[in-house]
Amino acid sequence: NAGVTQTPKFRVLKTGQSMTLLCAQDMNHEYMYWYRQDPGMGLRLIHYSVGEGTTAKGEVPDGYNVSRLKKQNFLLGLESAAPSQTSVYFCASSRGQGAEEKLFFGSGTQLSVL
Amino acid sequence: AQSVTQPDIHITVSEGASLELRCNYSYGATPYLFWYVQSPGQGLQLLLKYFSGDTLVQGIKGFEAEFKRSQSSFNLRKPSVHWSDAAEYFCAVGRISGNTPLVFGKGTRLSVIA
Repeated sequence: NAGVTQTPKFRVLKTGQSMTLLCAQDMNHEYMYWYRQDPGMGLRLIHYSVGEGTTAKGEVPDGYNVSRLKKQNFLLGLESAAPSQTSVYFCASSRGQGAEEKLFFGSGTQLSVL
Repeated sequence: AQSVTQPDIHITVSEGASLELRCNYSYGATPYLFWYVQSPGQGLQLLLKYFSGDTLVQGIKGFEAEFKRSQSSFNLRKPSVHWSDAAEYFCAVGRISGNTPLVFGKGTRLSVIA
């Protein structure tokens, strides 16, 4: 049981380049999330999805796009990377929200934008 | 909107000493409250959660937390800290209704010295 898997684990981009981060979960969870973690800022929600085919903006959505074409996958895209997007990105999933909102996290993607 | 404050950015304790990490929340009704732990280089893992009922909740790894409505607090405690407890700890608050994801505090980094 892999849980939540993020690829890649590390990536270095040049300003203006694009890339996609992939998150896959094998727990049949409805909800999926993308967070970024920066020193002193904690976890900030970028986008999330409440089910296949749905997406919603979080706290810091600018510069990112997401897609949830399949229930098990949640993709985070950077169309034109900027140095301010240097961060550690975490994907998470949950069966539900409220009482069922136990989040399962991936191990993170460390992204550097030069 | 709900919010979470973790007043302590960094705490250092001696191995075997007791620990209390503070968490204060802002929410109009009784929230769902969580504590997560992040070991270095890893994603977050759920320690414990409070939904209703007994205000003292037990979690994994010997941790407990107490919900105090009058103080809007949900402090995490452990009677005797082990070196392996060194990590970053995040408090989070969720809403009972609606598709609103968890809001995380900025975290408290715990260092354990011999």
